[in-house]
Amino acid sequence: DQQVKQNSPSLSVQEGRISILNCDYTNSMFDYFLWYKKYPAEGPTFLISISSIKDKNEDGRFTVFLNKSAKHLSLHIVPSQPGDSAVYFCAASRAAGNKLTFGGGTRVLVKP
Amino acid sequence: DSGVTQTPKHLITATGQRVTLRCSPRSGDLSVYWYQQSLDQGLQFLIQYYNGEERAKGNILERFSAQQFPDLHSELNLSSLELGDSALYFCASSAGRAEGLIQYFGAGTRLSVL
Repeated sequence: DQQVKQNSPSLSVQEGRISILNCDYTNSMFDYFLWYKKYPAEGPTFLISISSIKDKNEDGRFTVFLNKSAKHLSLHIVPSQPGDSAVYFCAASRAAGNKLTFGGGTRVLVKP
Repeated sequence: DSGVTQTPKHLITATGQRVTLRCSPRSGDLSVYWYQQSLDQGLQFLIQYYNGEERAKGNILERFSAQQFPDLHSELNLSSLELGDSALYFCASSAGRAEGLIQYFGAGTRLSVL
């Protein structure tokens, strides 16, 4: 039972353009959503989070949007840079301090 | 550098063997989590410890066990290893309960069972 899904396994985007990564979830008990970025041979690195009481959170080039009614969130990266090429994981949690439930990841390639 | 240290980085062993993976959390973090990532899939939660006590259990096999010691480092023990146990094993730590939303991950241990 996959409670968090990232339906696009890969995404290719030109440098300077917008990258949009999508994530869907099924469990309405999730209260927090996080995005992690992962380079090969490294552990996931936290990028940005959003709580279920908000619909948008912004941090520099990264913005996360949450649509609770659709159980859908997205991560926008603007402008995309070659260093953003990595695998991005969406994760959800029922509360701070609880386990994270991860999506399968989206591999992003930013072309110079 | 996340501040979470995992050793060893790589482990190659044979079926039927037993291994121990070690994790040192970030200074001051009370919660330790273990995750398994197989074949470029998402991370699957195995188990969580909070200040030495088991707090939550996920899809952890009975052949696997973990503990958190008084100095807060944690070990994940995998026994009677099978080919399917080959995976990346990540440890993460967070500050505590209410403050522990963000989990910080180590670089992982890559286990290869031959």
